[in-house]
Amino acid sequence: EIQLVESGGDLVPPGGSLRLSCAAAGFSVNNIYMSWVRQPPGKGLQWVALIHSDGSPTYADSVKGRFTISKDYSRNLLYLQMSSLRAEDTALYYCARSCGGAWCLSNWGQGTLVTVSS
Amino acid sequence: QSALTQPPSASGSPGQSVTISCTGTSSDIGTYNSVSWYQQHPGKAPKLIIYDVTKRPSGVPDRFSGSKSANTASLTVSGLQAEDEADYYCSSDGGRNNLIFGGGTKLTVL
Repeated sequence: EIQLVESGGDLVPPGGSLRLSCAAAGFSVNNIYMSWVRQPPGKGLQWVALIHSDGSPTYADSVKGRFTISKDYSRNLLYLQMSSLRAEDTALYYCARSCGGAWCLSNWGQGTLVTVSS
Repeated sequence: QSALTQPPSASGSPGQSVTISCTGTSSDIGTYNSVSWYQQHPGKAPKLIIYDVTKRPSGVPDRFSGSKSANTASLTVSGLQAEDEADYYCSSDGGRNNLIFGGGTKLTVL
């Protein structure tokens, strides 16, 4: 069974940093597209970042230069390193596995909450 | 990276059919067949119900169907059931290596 479990969400002051983790089970994060998607409280879904099957990353303009997506093949983990956090980054962050093509998200975790506030 | 446009709400009675639209541009929906639809119940993670415009993942009832015409994609839910009441989001390859979502549609089963 495919499972994704996010962790690392916390309350962080503006300008702070945080690293989110996503533990994958039932498949290997190697050679597959993986994404982070966020959902601000009471609002819709926003794509944040994608890591290609070859390990190359791509980011939404709103987080480019501040967030870094990466994979640890040996531990089967996906990461999102976030820095220079802003109030508008407050959201529930989901990791998601692509279903083949990059832009189809077939499996989602339950999310981890990031709150940016002083 | 403008969001795709969805109606904020839709409704129908049990057994009826409802169609939710998702309007983009010639740079996203109009160019790519990478349109997906997600169902999200309150407090739950999104669930993929349609991908590549018309395909259904294993286990998704055939009451859910997708289509596309020019810059607009549509999700049709036939034979509405109480458990279909949820938020629905469309997404599309936005070109330039990005994914864009619609703002979401709250489907109410009357």
